[in-house]
Amino acid sequence: DVKVTQSSRYLVKRTGEKVFLECVQDMDHENMFWYRQDPGLGLRLIYFSYDVKMKEKGDIPEGYSVSREKKERFSLILESASTNQTSMYLCASSFLGGQPQHFGDGTRLSIL
Amino acid sequence: GQNIDQPTEMTATEGAIVQINCTYQTSGFNGLFWYQQHAGEAPTFLSYNVLDGLEEKGRFSSFLSRSKGYSYLLLKELQMKDSASYLCAVRDWGPQGGKLIFGQGTELSVKP
Repeated sequence: DVKVTQSSRYLVKRTGEKVFLECVQDMDHENMFWYRQDPGLGLRLIYFSYDVKMKEKGDIPEGYSVSREKKERFSLILESASTNQTSMYLCASSFLGGQPQHFGDGTRLSIL
Repeated sequence: GQNIDQPTEMTATEGAIVQINCTYQTSGFNGLFWYQQHAGEAPTFLSYNVLDGLEEKGRFSSFLSRSKGYSYLLLKELQMKDSASYLCAVRDWGPQGGKLIFGQGTELSVKP
């Protein structure tokens, strides 16, 4: 079974802090993705990566950056957290091409 | 622009059949996915359509009409555990298979 592991289920941070969300997958997937999920807005793509050290902006990249130093790990960074970044963050991974994405359990992040 | 529409909520009775519709207008099309998401859990893959027609998988079936920009997910012999959010997602063209664009999700409640 594919396993996508996110480092925290719940996280509380303060405005202005630098926040790191970590995601690890164990299936040697080339593609990795970061989404946020908000009521009424669905899942929105923040960034994705299809290879080590490669990254592509999604639909809402502002205020975020990512790092992929190893194939199995994809990190999302909030450079200076703001209250409007309070959300559920979901990581996903997939093989190249038309394969379905597999999701982690999510990190519910609150910025106070 | 990119637009994916699905009903926000639906209610059905245990043992019945329910159809969840999804219409889309996207700049490119490279397949349509359905995911199931229980409250507080990760989305899990249900089905994938890239050609017109019906794909059946046990109690779940998914239909696609590319000319109409339309898909539906059919759930038969509903069970209480089918109460969940159902997400429609269209894959756009792009590097390494493209990215997914998600609808807002349909919250299905199954009543006894």
